[in-house]
Amino acid sequence: EGQLLESGGGLVQPGGSLRLSCAASGFSLRDYVMTWVRQAPGKGLEWVSITSISGDTTDYANSVKGRFSVSRDKAKDTVYLQMNSLRDEDTAMYYCAIKVPGTYPLVDWGQGTLVTVSS
Amino acid sequence: IVMTQSPVTLSVSPGERATLSCRASQSVSTNLAWYQQKPGQGPRLLIFGASSRVTAFPARFSGSGSGTEFTLTISSLQSEDSAVYYCQQYDSGPPGTFGQGTKVEIK
Repeated sequence: EGQLLESGGGLVQPGGSLRLSCAASGFSLRDYVMTWVRQAPGKGLEWVSITSISGDTTDYANSVKGRFSVSRDKAKDTVYLQMNSLRDEDTAMYYCAIKVPGTYPLVDWGQGTLVTVSS
Repeated sequence: IVMTQSPVTLSVSPGERATLSCRASQSVSTNLAWYQQKPGQGPRLLIFGASSRVTAFPARFSGSGSGTEFTLTISSLQSEDSAVYYCQQYDSGPPGTFGQGTKVEIK
């Protein structure tokens, strides 16, 4: 059975940077649209970004636009979320999730990696 | 599109029916999904297309609705169904918007 594996979370000071990774076990990410979704402690789900299969196109939530960027390494079959200029309000569990192109839901999610922004 | 779920918390006795509601601020056709999230876990897709159940989930889970009004029903609640349930519209905007969640508790 395949699963998504996030890594790279941790404690970072406000204004700092962190890079999260998302890899798959048991299947390839190459056939999927990649998204990042976050969940602040005790809160609901907030979409962060969505990246096309080719990696050429990424949309970002207004709350992270200009600070976060997504890249896909096809050779490593891994997707990265580069987070810069981090703020307290970016503290959350970050999930990667996949979907197929078109009007479809998020079919699989990882277990998440925790990002804590605090001085 | 704003998704509004009700109630915020639902307390149901084992074996009883649980009914969760999700309302969209404008029509999303049947492009509506439900996810189940248990503590310490990522969400899991439960229902898609408003009424199609993922095979990994038992038949006691069912979804219905179209347009702006949707319902998730758990026909006979089991202890393992205790979780937060989120609806998500994926009709508009990548990848769509989530409701705030309904926590289902076992009474």
